[in-house]
Amino acid sequence: ETGVTQSPTHLIKTRGQQVTLRCSSQSGHNTVSWYQQALGQGPQFIFQYYREEENGRGNFPPRFSGLQFPNYSSELNVNALELDDSALYLCASSQTSGRPDTQYFGPGTRLTVL
Amino acid sequence: SQKIEQNSEALNIQEGKTATLTCNYTNYSPAYLQWYRQDPGRGPVFLLLIRENEKEKRKERLKVTFDTTLKQSLFHITASQPADSATYLCALGDPNNAGNMLTFGGGTRLMVKP
Repeated sequence: ETGVTQSPTHLIKTRGQQVTLRCSSQSGHNTVSWYQQALGQGPQFIFQYYREEENGRGNFPPRFSGLQFPNYSSELNVNALELDDSALYLCASSQTSGRPDTQYFGPGTRLTVL
Repeated sequence: SQKIEQNSEALNIQEGKTATLTCNYTNYSPAYLQWYRQDPGRGPVFLLLIRENEKEKRKERLKVTFDTTLKQSLFHITASQPADSATYLCALGDPNNAGNMLTFGGGTRLMVKP
């Protein structure tokens, strides 16, 4: 186990709704990255937070937004859900940003959009 | 456009044999490459990191090579065991690009038969 926790484990929403996913980083880690993993594909980078600031963003629309809190836990918010948003959402924490480092992934939240 | 390719077909091998997985990339100059293991319904687990100036890295039964001229990494598991059955993901990193942002391949599923 990595020490990274995510909640909820599973979630079912309907198109157009909004969702908030939560991540608790491993102790001592100040960087959190969020990834989207569609079935049968590799994870795709959504964005990264370092010390409560967004530190980089992948090719995702603005309706994907996030927050990092002073205790380095994090939230991913998705507005106006679309069917294609159905995926496993992974968060990963690491000790620092900007250099090669191991990323510790949580178990993920499985989101289904109907 | 940038592309990372892993063999999408499952690799089936007999217990005790060496498994070799391939990761090819184009239009990318990664500073480092990582390999992760992912079991069904779980988040990826870090295995090895290799930097652009390193040719080979070993850890117990695992070996990774990195050829920046061929734009290819090979991942070897020697004396494979049924417990090695999982999906293996390669991920390329560039610290100049959004910190620890990783770009993942689609993964290769390895099945080790007893």
